[in-house]
Amino acid sequence: SQELEQSPQSLIVQEGKNLTINCTSSKTLYGLYWYKQKYGEGLIFLMMLQKGGEEKSHEKITAKLDEKKQQSSLHITASQPSHAGIYLCGADFDGQNFVFGPGTRLSVLP
Amino acid sequence: GAGVSQSPSNKVTEKGKDVELRCDPISGHTALYWYRQRLGQGLEFLIYFQGNSAPDKSGLPSDRFSAERTGESVSTLTIQRTQQEDSAVYLCASSFFGGAYEQYFGPGTRLTVT
Repeated sequence: SQELEQSPQSLIVQEGKNLTINCTSSKTLYGLYWYKQKYGEGLIFLMMLQKGGEEKSHEKITAKLDEKKQQSSLHITASQPSHAGIYLCGADFDGQNFVFGPGTRLSVLP
Repeated sequence: GAGVSQSPSNKVTEKGKDVELRCDPISGHTALYWYRQRLGQGLEFLIYFQGNSAPDKSGLPSDRFSAERTGESVSTLTIQRTQQEDSAVYLCASSFFGGAYEQYFGPGTRLTVT
């Protein structure tokens, strides 16, 4: 079974709409990372969360880690076509091994 | 500054042949990771190097896979006697230190085994 789960698996939204992607773990996370993957461009690091309740923002993307450090949400405000891609959460459970979620495919319709 | 680079960008090889993939990490990054992404699947951790410590090989799928890193520089991932199921994009990442530090990814090597 997946150590990290993401929902939804895929998402299609109209440009300008807000959206949220979730990442859930059954174990306490040492660190939680969000990445974006665009075809032909490789993985792009978005942000890292470590502390329970921590929230970070970058441009129109906000990510939060819950107090128990087992769930994170990524929220995009006023989505644009440039936000389209696959969003991956990655987790560090013990300070070394790294695990990725299955990804959420986001399409933004103009 | 320069990011993580990988070579070749694409590799097509016949089943049974050996292949070698190269990763040049960001200068000063002590940690280096190899991952594999097969079509339709998520990223799969392969191996992790931290400085001069013995690498964590727990993710290597079989003994046909091996990796080396000289100090804190270039790493090579070698796959011997390639099989069709080895076809994937192989990603390398480096970070300033292991653990909670953010990882920077290379563009990947797309391996196709025919």
